[in-house]
Amino acid sequence: AQSVTQLGSHVSVSEGALVLLRCNYSSSVPPYLFWYVQYPNQGLQLLLKYTTGATLVKGINGFEAEFKKSETSFHLTKPSAHMSDAAEYFCAVVYGGATNKLIFGTGTLLAVQP
Amino acid sequence: DTAVSQTPKYLVTQMGNDKSIKCEQNLGHDTMYWYKQDSKKFLKIMFSYNNKELIINETVPNRFSPKSPDKAHLNLHINSLELGDSAVYFCASSPSNTEAFFGQGTRLTVV
Repeated sequence: AQSVTQLGSHVSVSEGALVLLRCNYSSSVPPYLFWYVQYPNQGLQLLLKYTTGATLVKGINGFEAEFKKSETSFHLTKPSAHMSDAAEYFCAVVYGGATNKLIFGTGTLLAVQP
Repeated sequence: DTAVSQTPKYLVTQMGNDKSIKCEQNLGHDTMYWYKQDSKKFLKIMFSYNNKELIINETVPNRFSPKSPDKAHLNLHINSLELGDSAVYFCASSPSNTEAFFGQGTRLTVV
């Protein structure tokens, strides 16, 4: 079955430290890949996406992610965490075809300690 | 100005009642969705419409009935509400097999 896995439901980092949130997908055919952020009591906001082309994609708020086909991964990174980055992060995939079905991972709650 | 707007933002109702959530997008997208986010933050697709046609129905109880009067609107009607229906419901739209744009969510509490 098509799925996306986020390792670590909770990640805690210190302000200024590297942020690494992991995402793996299951498919032999590379999907389209997305990272979304959800702040408390808010909707989901797109951080970045990979469809085709350059495998390192840059998004908003200093985040970036690298598509690695050999590892079926799309991990999200940010060199230096800020307090305002504290939120829930979701990896999502679209496997193509006519269904436009966006499948989400279970989410990772990022806490940033002062 | 809002791209995807849904109303109401909060909805508290008693078991057995019927309620509706409305969604409108002004992005000109062909596809609209309803997602349910449970208490553990898990997001699951419920329905997808493309140009007013239902294309995804993810084994949702038939108490839930989406209606798309035009491609800019996708409403969700829920009959005979149950405690387990309590969740945050998100409407979203997308132009194709790319990212979806989400509304702010409707927090439904069934008491």
